[in-house]
Amino acid sequence: RKEVEQDPGPFNVPEGATVAFNCTYSNSASQSFFWYRQDCRKEPKLLMSVYSSGNEDGRFTAQLNRASQYISLLIRDSKLSDSATYLCVVVANTGNQFYFGTGTSLTVIP
Amino acid sequence: EAGVAQSPRYKIIEKRQSVAFWCNPISGHATLYWYQQILGQGPKLLIQFQNNGVVDDSQLPKDRFSAERLKGVDSTLKIQPAKLEDSAVYLCASSLNGGYNEQFFGPGTRLTVL
Repeated sequence: RKEVEQDPGPFNVPEGATVAFNCTYSNSASQSFFWYRQDCRKEPKLLMSVYSSGNEDGRFTAQLNRASQYISLLIRDSKLSDSATYLCVVVANTGNQFYFGTGTSLTVIP
Repeated sequence: EAGVAQSPRYKIIEKRQSVAFWCNPISGHATLYWYQQILGQGPKLLIQFQNNGVVDDSQLPKDRFSAERLKGVDSTLKIQPAKLEDSAVYLCASSLNGGYNEQFFGPGTRLTVL
């Protein structure tokens, strides 16, 4: 079983739409969680960390559900510039093992 | 602040040849990572260094891949001999002090093995 699983999409949504991605993880002892963004043929960049209580950064909201072992990313009022691949990252409790999901592709359509 | 530097940006070789990639992390970052990203997949961690010591290399194919970070600063990843399935982007990342810190990625080296 993979450490981290994501729906690869693609998700094609109109501008202004709300879209949500989920990511499930297999190791219940995982301690840290992140969402990274990767533009086409570019390197990944940190979008936001995911805190136990959930956190928000502008149009982006990240949540963690430890009981069901998944994290989510919600994007409100989608912009064309949000088109990218969104990678979830799960860090093992040792802090040394980083597992990236396969990424979810988002295209925001005018 | 300068980011993570990698070279070369692109490399094309034939199978069974050798290749080396270089990475210079952000100044002051103790932790350095090498990832392999195959098209359509997420990055897979190959090796993690803390200063000049290896923290995790459990997913490094040690029969053909090697990496070093001798002085705890820049690092080299080598493949010898290369196989077709090694075609991928090799990403280097660094973080301030491992663990749960943000990782900063370099632009990657795109390797094509023919």
